[in-house]
Amino acid sequence: GQSLEQPSEVTAVEGAIVQMNCTYQTSGFYGLSWYQQHDGGAPTFLSYNALDGLEETGRFSSFLSRSDSYGYLLLQELQMKDSASYFCAVPSNYQLIWGAGTKLIIKP
Amino acid sequence: EAGVTQFPSHSVIEKGQTVTLRCDPISGHDNLYWYRRVMGKEIKFLLHFVKESKQDESGMPNNRFLAERTGGTYSTLKVQPAELEDSGVYFCASSQGTGYRSYTFGSGTRLTVV
Repeated sequence: GQSLEQPSEVTAVEGAIVQMNCTYQTSGFYGLSWYQQHDGGAPTFLSYNALDGLEETGRFSSFLSRSDSYGYLLLQELQMKDSASYFCAVPSNYQLIWGAGTKLIIKP
Repeated sequence: EAGVTQFPSHSVIEKGQTVTLRCDPISGHDNLYWYRRVMGKEIKFLLHFVKESKQDESGMPNNRFLAERTGGTYSTLKVQPAELEDSGVYFCASSQGTGYRSYTFGSGTRLTVV
């Protein structure tokens, strides 16, 4: 079957850097997406990696290694507003296959 | 542009009752998706509409769930009769194309069956 594994929770300090990992096992892999969801809010698209390497968008970076079936989301200069759940997902037949999400807790 | 709207935002019903969730996609988006997240677990695909047609309903858990999209605009998801395991957050998403990058999600309906 297809599955994505993420740590359930990560804690970091405001202003620091945090990395959230995702390992996947899928058939017909096309790329890895990342979504952010604040409590009670809508999942919002952050980034997508189709090729190996690092993609940077402001304070957010996403990395993919297809040979290792692994990716991560890196957040720099953490702010309290970054407290949320972060999901990795892969597209498959017009739908998204999701991980269970990592809850990011930020301490002042 | 208005986003994807879902209502109610919360619903608490008793086991055996019926609940209908509604999703209003972004105007002009032909593709509409329903997903569900059971507490602490992954978000799972339920079904995909293209206009008013069901493109893929492979994720629907059983025949207690019925989704419709009359006229290719808003969609409803009815659960009848509701069971305890149906509790979770039901998300709707819409897109103009089928590329995953173009998905816009609603804030979800939190369904609690007691």
